[in-house]
Amino acid sequence: KNEVEQSPQNLTAQEGEFITINCSYSVGISALHWLQQHPGGGIVSLFMLSSGKKKHGRLIATINIQEKHSSLHITASHPRDSAVYICAVLYSGGGADGLTFGKGTHLIIQP
Amino acid sequence: GAGVSQTPSNKVTEKGKYVELRCDPISGHTALYWYRQSLGQGPEFLIYFQGTGAADDSGLPNDRFFAVRPEGSVSTLKIQRTERGDSAVYLCASSAGAFDSQYFGPGTRLTVL
Repeated sequence: KNEVEQSPQNLTAQEGEFITINCSYSVGISALHWLQQHPGGGIVSLFMLSSGKKKHGRLIATINIQEKHSSLHITASHPRDSAVYICAVLYSGGGADGLTFGKGTHLIIQP
Repeated sequence: GAGVSQTPSNKVTEKGKYVELRCDPISGHTALYWYRQSLGQGPEFLIYFQGTGAADDSGLPNDRFFAVRPEGSVSTLKIQRTERGDSAVYLCASSAGAFDSQYFGPGTRLTVL
């Protein structure tokens, strides 16, 4: 079964800290998504990437295709960044055409 | 512009009943996806439409689940003979194409009593 593994599952940090969330997957992909979900809220797409690095504001996403690994970084973290961050991949080479999701990383930023 | 919308936002039903969940994708998006998210879990893929046709329904758990998209826009997810295990948030997403960013709706929270 193609799986998406995220770490850590839970992360509590102080405001201002640099945050890293990791995602690994098992087989070749067409694209990888980083998503944000606030409690009781909908899912917001942060990044979609298939190679290299993307940056938006304080968020940075990187992917290493050879190592089948991606990271999401948050610089100068703020309490409003508290949310569940989900990694999801679109596998290449057949199979389901929808995204396969990790279980999410529950991030809490304390003031 | 308008995002993906889903109705109802909440649905409470009794075991054995039939329910329909509606998704209005972003105008012009040809790809539409249904996912299901159980409490504390990441979403799971159910079905993917490209235009009017179900390109991949491999995620539907059993034949009680069915989805349609007759005109290539609005989609309806139908669940027959609901069971308590069907309780979850049902998410819809759309994208311009299969390899474009997916935009998610707010979800429908289904509770089967």
